[in-house]
Amino acid sequence: RKEVEQDPGPFNVPEGATVAFNCTYSNSASQSFFWYRQDCRKEPKLLMSVYSSGNEDGRFTAQLNRASQYISLLIRDSKLSDSATYLCVVNMRANAGKSTFGDGTTLTVKP
Amino acid sequence: EPEVTQTPSHQVTQMGQEVILRCVPISNHLYFYWYRQILGQKVEFLVSFYNNEISEKSEIFDDQFSVERPDGSNFTLKIRSTKLEDSAMYFCASNPGQGAASGRHNEQFFGPGTRLTVL
Repeated sequence: RKEVEQDPGPFNVPEGATVAFNCTYSNSASQSFFWYRQDCRKEPKLLMSVYSSGNEDGRFTAQLNRASQYISLLIRDSKLSDSATYLCVVNMRANAGKSTFGDGTTLTVKP
Repeated sequence: EPEVTQTPSHQVTQMGQEVILRCVPISNHLYFYWYRQILGQKVEFLVSFYNNEISEKSEIFDDQFSVERPDGSNFTLKIRSTKLEDSAMYFCASNPGQGAASGRHNEQFFGPGTRLTVL
């Protein structure tokens, strides 16, 4: 079983759509969780950390369910500029430590 | 906003040659990392570095690899004798550690990467 598993995608949605990405992780001792976005041939850019209480940043909402070892990212009112690969990232430590990346889910938002 | 920088952006080398990839982490960050991404594959952890020593390394990070922080700003990855399979994008990352705001201390910020091509 992969350490971090994401929806395989790709997702192709029209502008204005709501899209949700799912991610599961295998190690129940994992401590910190993130969503990154990666544009083609660019570096991963931090989108948001994910907290147990859930958190929102504008059109983006992240949820964490520790019991199910499940992380989600919801994008509302999607824009053309949201087209990218979304990476689910898990870290075993609360403070520093290596990040384990999922394979990523590619989103294309079309006009 | 402070950024991680990396040089060169693209390095082409012959198999068996040594390469040094350079990174300047964000200035007040305490933890430094190297990751790599082979084309079409996921980002993989190589090594983490804290307080002038390696804190963790993956099985990819064998004796051909080494890291160094030669001064107060640079963080380097050396590959002693490159192989064809070392061709990848190499990303440096840093995070602030415990001194950062609550919940932010484990956020890792990535540099733009060095594309290494081994011929």
